[in-house]
Amino acid sequence: DIQMTQSPSSLSASVGDRVTITCRASQSIASYLNWYLQKPGKPPKLLISATPSLQSGVPSRFSGSGSGTDFTLTISTLQPEDFATYYCQQTYSTPWTFGQGTKVEIK
Amino acid sequence: QVQLQESGPGLVKPSETLSLTCAVSGYSISIGYYWGWIRQPPGKGLEWIGSIYHTGGTYYNPSLQSRVTISVDTSKNHFSLKVHSVTAADTAVYYCARHVNEYSSSWQYNWFDPWGQGTLVTVSS
Repeated sequence: DIQMTQSPSSLSASVGDRVTITCRASQSIASYLNWYLQKPGKPPKLLISATPSLQSGVPSRFSGSGSGTDFTLTISTLQPEDFATYYCQQTYSTPWTFGQGTKVEIK
Repeated sequence: QVQLQESGPGLVKPSETLSLTCAVSGYSISIGYYWGWIRQPPGKGLEWIGSIYHTGGTYYNPSLQSRVTISVDTSKNHFSLKVHSVTAADTAVYYCARHVNEYSSSWQYNWFDPWGQGTLVTVSS
């Protein structure tokens, strides 16, 4: 199985900050990477598919980049509704696997 | 607007079978797409369980394949999950989701969107 490692596991930031989350794959996955956001008690919501395609309705402050083994999710200007846990997911090969999550908390 | 809703028992005894159904509204399963199941143990990360095509073709996570069955009923516009011989390690929130598969001759992308609200299944005697 392809292992996905996110860093950091958690971070504290303020509204207006620029936030970057990293996802590293244990082998090359080309651009077969998705990003999801999850709020407590809610299901994950797709933000970005097949890096860097932003889903319809997702604010442009979110962006994804990378290829091969190293990927980043960037939030250009953090908003109050962005405090959540973010997961990356590889779909290069089955079983599809997720990162362990990065929790973005309010500083 | 596609919506999904999981249903099933919230408590299952060890060694028994966990059975869940995902009702789809706003879209006819018989038209297309894959449909998938993902689970999340309390306080932990996400694990893909498996997916089924609208015609019935399936593929599963090898770590669960020997215990999992996913089926689809287009007449009821729902799909189902069975996990056999459950243990406490199967305690999780179970989500169903539309599994989008887009492909060309040189690439094939997959993602899950949208998701159901999820249902907590506890394995305990």
